[in-house]
Amino acid sequence: TQLLEQSPQFLSIQEGENLTVYCNSSSVFSSLQWYRQEPGEGPVLLVTVVTGGEVKKLKRLTFQFGDARKDSSLHITAAQPGDTGLYLCAGMNRDDKIIFGKGTRLHILP
Amino acid sequence: NAGVMQNPRHLVRRRGQEARLRCSPMKGHSHVYWYRQLPEEGLKFMVYLQKENIIDESGMPKERFSAEFPKEGPSILRIQQVVRGDSAAYFCASSPGTSGPPNFGPGTRLTVT
Repeated sequence: TQLLEQSPQFLSIQEGENLTVYCNSSSVFSSLQWYRQEPGEGPVLLVTVVTGGEVKKLKRLTFQFGDARKDSSLHITAAQPGDTGLYLCAGMNRDDKIIFGKGTRLHILP
Repeated sequence: NAGVMQNPRHLVRRRGQEARLRCSPMKGHSHVYWYRQLPEEGLKFMVYLQKENIIDESGMPKERFSAEFPKEGPSILRIQQVVRGDSAAYFCASSPGTSGPPNFGPGTRLTVT
């Protein structure tokens, strides 16, 4: 059974601080996605990473895919209250099945 | 290009009734996924369908739950004889297949009273 473990589960930090959340698995994925979910809404795709070692940047967000394509990280620089939300990582296997981690609930304090 | 549509957004059913959740994928998308989410938790995979075919239903309970994606019309997730434990948010996602990750709909929040 493929599993994605996200850490930390909860994170509350002050505005302006930096943070990193992690997504780890013992399985190899053909690609990995990061989503952000607001209360009462569906997840919104932030990024897809495909190549081992790949780094993608989205404004203050930096996403990295591990060399072995088993893990990923999301780094946020100078966090803002608008970054508050649930961040979900999801791995896609060769059969196009997508498995989600349980998410990191991020709260940025103004 | 409209996104993934789900209806109803909220559904209340009494124990023992049937719940039908509908999902219209994005235009050109032939792959549909259904996920279930309990409060404060991540998304749990239920089923993956392509037009007229169930590809993977390993996350679907063997009883009372069924899903279809007909040649014409939306994908339907059907829950028969609902119980209180079925109360959750059910999300549908669609993708064009191997060329891209899925996009999610806004979800249907099912409450069983």
